[in-house]
Amino acid sequence: QSALTQPASVSGSPGQSITISCPGTSSDVGSYNLVSWYQQHPGKAPKLMIYEVTKRPSGVSNRFSGSKSGNTASLTISGLQAEDEADYYCCSYAGSSPVVFGGGTKLTVL
Amino acid sequence: QLQLQESGPGLVKPSETLSLTCTVSGGSISSSNYYWGWIRQAPGKGLEWIGSIYHSWRTYYNPSLKSRVTISAHTSKNQFFLKLNSVTAADTAVYYCVRGVPFYYGGDEAGESHFDYWGQGALVTVSS
Repeated sequence: QSALTQPASVSGSPGQSITISCPGTSSDVGSYNLVSWYQQHPGKAPKLMIYEVTKRPSGVSNRFSGSKSGNTASLTISGLQAEDEADYYCCSYAGSSPVVFGGGTKLTVL
Repeated sequence: QLQLQESGPGLVKPSETLSLTCTVSGGSISSSNYYWGWIRQAPGKGLEWIGSIYHSWRTYYNPSLKSRVTISAHTSKNQFFLKLNSVTAADTAVYYCVRGVPFYYGGDEAGESHFDYWGQGALVTVSS
């Protein structure tokens, strides 16, 4: 069960849009529309931001959106705000190895 | 509002067993079709799924930890538990208890889609 490969860091200025990629394989991301994304601020528990590739839980800003193409999922944050600075983790259902997380991406708002 | 709270020793000796309890309030673990599980995060590292329990008896474990992990539940106390034996320093982490939302295939529950509620986390250090 290998971790999904996320970029270690991304950055953007307030108001800009950024995209975090989550490349997987045909055994996880590519086979199931069961990708979720979590936001984690320092010292806090992760928070669900996107589930089933594109769905947003109630209360999550519509500035957050998810997508998938082939074996790669992506999280896009538009209209970047200072409060978006956090670590972001993707997660996918992976069949016989049920759940696999990405290594995490640190988002810096410049 | 559903709340999950981890509890247990913050320090465990190498080769011993790590034991944590998750107490759920605001909802019943026995009357709902959800998974109840554990995810951990080593210091400065990413998230690692440990395993889950479904309907109080069906368990699913991370293959890399399966030989050392047991997840169980006590429905009348609305609690579920993690036991990880033969621990080493590599098991030092913040341990989160979580609720997993199932997805369905052909009308049957088929696995966990995502984790919608998380506890605040409990730091467990493995050291002599």
